[in-house]
Amino acid sequence: QKEVEQDPGPLSVPEGAIVSLNCTYSNSAFQYFMWYRQYSRKGPELLMYTYSSGNKEDGRFTAQVDKSSKYISLFIRDSQPSDSATYLCAMSAITGNQFYFGTGTSLTVIP
Amino acid sequence: SAVISQKPSRDICQRGTSLTIQCQVDSQVTMMFWYRQQPGQSLTLIATANQGSEATYESGFVIDKFPISRPNLTFSTLTVSNMSPEDSSIYLCSVDLGGRSNEQFFGPGTRLTVL
Repeated sequence: QKEVEQDPGPLSVPEGAIVSLNCTYSNSAFQYFMWYRQYSRKGPELLMYTYSSGNKEDGRFTAQVDKSSKYISLFIRDSQPSDSATYLCAMSAITGNQFYFGTGTSLTVIP
Repeated sequence: SAVISQKPSRDICQRGTSLTIQCQVDSQVTMMFWYRQQPGQSLTLIATANQGSEATYESGFVIDKFPISRPNLTFSTLTVSNMSPEDSSIYLCSVDLGGRSNEQFFGPGTRLTVL
């Protein structure tokens, strides 16, 4: 079983839609949860960072962590064509420890 | 955050040759990492490069194939040695700025094609 599972998509939505991206994990020791956005031919860009359980909101983006279910989500409200990218979830157990990445979900927002 | 650059951005190499990838950071960092990203796969950690110590390699990666240098707190190199087509991938460096957070920031990547 992989440490982190992420639906690769691809996901295609109309502009203005609400997008839900999800990852599940198996290691209950994970405490740090990240979402990265990666545009084509670019390096991953840190989008959201959450420690432990709960929600975190930043503009149109909301990250949710449910440690009891070992499930994390990223919601994008009022999606824009500029949100078209691959979204990677990542997590780790303690600071400075190895990150475990999902395979990424490819998102296309259609104007 | 940190500004990270990599050289070269891309290269096409012949089988059996070696390529050295450079990673430059605009601030001093203790922890730097090298990843490989193959199509349709998650980022795979190759090694952790801390200044002043030998690089720590993950399972499946060895120093003879991927030697790493870390001469100071702002720079590192990864060499892909004796390349084969299976080494074709994107190679990424990242840094952890330390402190109480656990965030990694990535460079733009080096796209390597081995013929």
